[in-house]
Amino acid sequence: SYVLTQPPSVSVAPGQTARITCGGNEIATKRVHWYQQKPGQAPVLVVHDDDDRPSGIPERFSGSNYGNTATLSISRVEAGDEADYYCQVWDSRSDQEIFGGGTQLTVL
Amino acid sequence: EVQLVESGGGLVQPGGSLRLSCAASGFSVNGNYITWVRQAPGKGLEWVSMIYRAGSTYYADSVRGRFIISRDNSKNTIYLQMNGLRGDDTATYYCARIWFGHYFDPWGQGTQVTVSS
Repeated sequence: SYVLTQPPSVSVAPGQTARITCGGNEIATKRVHWYQQKPGQAPVLVVHDDDDRPSGIPERFSGSNYGNTATLSISRVEAGDEADYYCQVWDSRSDQEIFGGGTQLTVL
Repeated sequence: EVQLVESGGGLVQPGGSLRLSCAASGFSVNGNYITWVRQAPGKGLEWVSMIYRAGSTYYADSVRGRFIISRDNSKNTIYLQMNGLRGDDTATYYCARIWFGHYFDPWGQGTQVTVSS
């Protein structure tokens, strides 16, 4: 089955840009979605279809998807961005939804 | 306001059964795709099952043959019947609405399932 690979952790200083990657075989052929999950809370959609933001999500959140890697970028990182982030795709070949293992973002 | 509320979680013995409910408001489950996702304690998100508008159902390999997703249009509610429960089914179970690109929004607050003797 299709596999998505994320780094377990990413650290960034406040005000800098955080980049969280999601690797998968020819992932650029799929639509990639990103979720933010803070402790004790349900996940929240922050980017969908590679690079679209839902209403209410700050412009600081953006996405890209090329080749074998999709990336969630968070510019001007704030302490409130500290959370776990998950990428997700739909594997049409198996009709299954696939999540990456998640990345813990730490704001130094 | 579009909202999903899960219920039905609890403590169950290995081999037992449980039925989770996902009550929707602000939209009709009959005209939408809905999914269940779970998260074991301290672990990542794991997709469990989904039901399409036409009624087609899909399952993760880890639950196929044990779990059944269904829909009651009159109650605007989605169910997850869980049979043959095992310790590794212990998790918080979330339901969410699936949009055209297969992204999930919004999510419910989750319901906790613990499988233990």
